[in-house]
Amino acid sequence: GESVGLHLPTLSVQEGDNSIINCAYSNSASDYFIWYKQESGKGPQFIIDIRSNMDKRQGQRVTVLLNKTVKHLSLQIAATQPGDSAVYFCAENKSNAGGTSYGKLTFGQGTILTVHP
Amino acid sequence: SAVISQKPSRDICQRGTSLTIQCQVDSQVTMMFWYRQQPGQSLTLIATANQGSEATYESGFVIDKFPISRPNLTFSTLTVSNMSPEDSSIYLCSVEYYGYTFGSGTRLTVV
Repeated sequence: GESVGLHLPTLSVQEGDNSIINCAYSNSASDYFIWYKQESGKGPQFIIDIRSNMDKRQGQRVTVLLNKTVKHLSLQIAATQPGDSAVYFCAENKSNAGGTSYGKLTFGQGTILTVHP
Repeated sequence: SAVISQKPSRDICQRGTSLTIQCQVDSQVTMMFWYRQQPGQSLTLIATANQGSEATYESGFVIDKFPISRPNLTFSTLTVSNMSPEDSSIYLCSVEYYGYTFGSGTRLTVV
């Protein structure tokens, strides 16, 4: 079936550096993508999302890029801080013809981000 | 977005027993989702629970092993039945309400 995967399972950066976490998806019908942050002992926390009619979206210190041609999604974190250390997941969703969500998300493998002070 | 309260937060259970996990939402939502996160892995959807109808299970998950109740629009339970050590995982509920929100999870250890 459809799957969402990540290129890099682990990423280590120095505090203050920019981080880039990548995700490849295989379902070309997916039209909504979300990045989640999961800290130890907690549930996934929403970071940022993007719809397929966009190729870039910016939040506070985070940017998501979507390349539909190669089915690739990335999360950029600017000025990474130790508090950003966590596991990051991408997730995809496919809407029905009416534009409403099918509901269920398919998650990627996850990337462990470690930020060294 | 909705606020989800999930309990218990963790439990250690004997093999062969069952555990029921509760998920309470502060808003009325149509769909609730149950996920499993095995150690060191990503989230896998177990089933989708709509109020007033039977849950829809994903491939590899069956109702006898993971019965789900959805008595109203703010509450759902997932039972992990006849547990074995392979069921040791984090179980998470989620809702779609102005975005997808997750509970804090139930960390289950089966011994």
